Amino acid sequence: DAGVIQSPRHEVTEMGQEVTLRCKPISGHNSLFWYRQTMMRGLELLIYFNNNVPIDDSGMPEDRFSAKMPNASFSTLKIQPSEPRDSAVYFCASSTGTGELFFGEGSRLTVL
Amino acid sequence: GENVEQHPSTLSVQEGDSAVIKCTYSDSASNYFPWYKQELGKRPQLIIDIRSNVGEKKDQRIAVTLNKTAKHFSLHITETQPEDSAVYFCAASRRSYIPTFGRGTSLIVHP
Repeated sequence: DAGVIQSPRHEVTEMGQEVTLRCKPISGHNSLFWYRQTMMRGLELLIYFNNNVPIDDSGMPEDRFSAKMPNASFSTLKIQPSEPRDSAVYFCASSTGTGELFFGEGSRLTVL
Repeated sequence: GENVEQHPSTLSVQEGDSAVIKCTYSDSASNYFPWYKQELGKRPQLIIDIRSNVGEKKDQRIAVTLNKTAKHFSLHITETQPEDSAVYFCAASRRSYIPTFGRGTSLIVHP
């Protein structure tokens, strides 16, 4: 398996623009997580899906953030409108729900 | 919710020395405690984990200890090598396996 695949790897955009991050989890994994990593706050859980259903979205900062998982092999995290404080590395991770998380390479977002 | 505190934030050691990273957690229902290593510019990867029914687990040069009464757990790395230099994250979770991560420890091993 190729592991968790995220795109884009790098995104530079201007404040106010819409940003869409994509994730393909490992086949057979039923849990999917979106994390945000910054120097100030470390690894923060944004949202957790189980069997494509959002279970815990308490970490989503505000209404500007939204996430979807239309099927077992694809998820998106959207920021609209983006702000400079959204600049971070966004990780997607998947698991079988029994412990270990497998992270993607991350999407580094810079909002100017 | 769960709160995980991790110390120190930075740890600098000489090659061959031991390194110890400590974490505390707040939720007494947490029963799974993984440790992840993140090399510069890379993804976090699991290096060792421990469940609440054991007090210690070893894997070559790394070991993790758990004290459920005190709600703290530690990562021990012996005979450190330059390739051990990375950021290490502890985490805690319940049976749902949704981990809450500590803030991370930057380990620097000097040759």
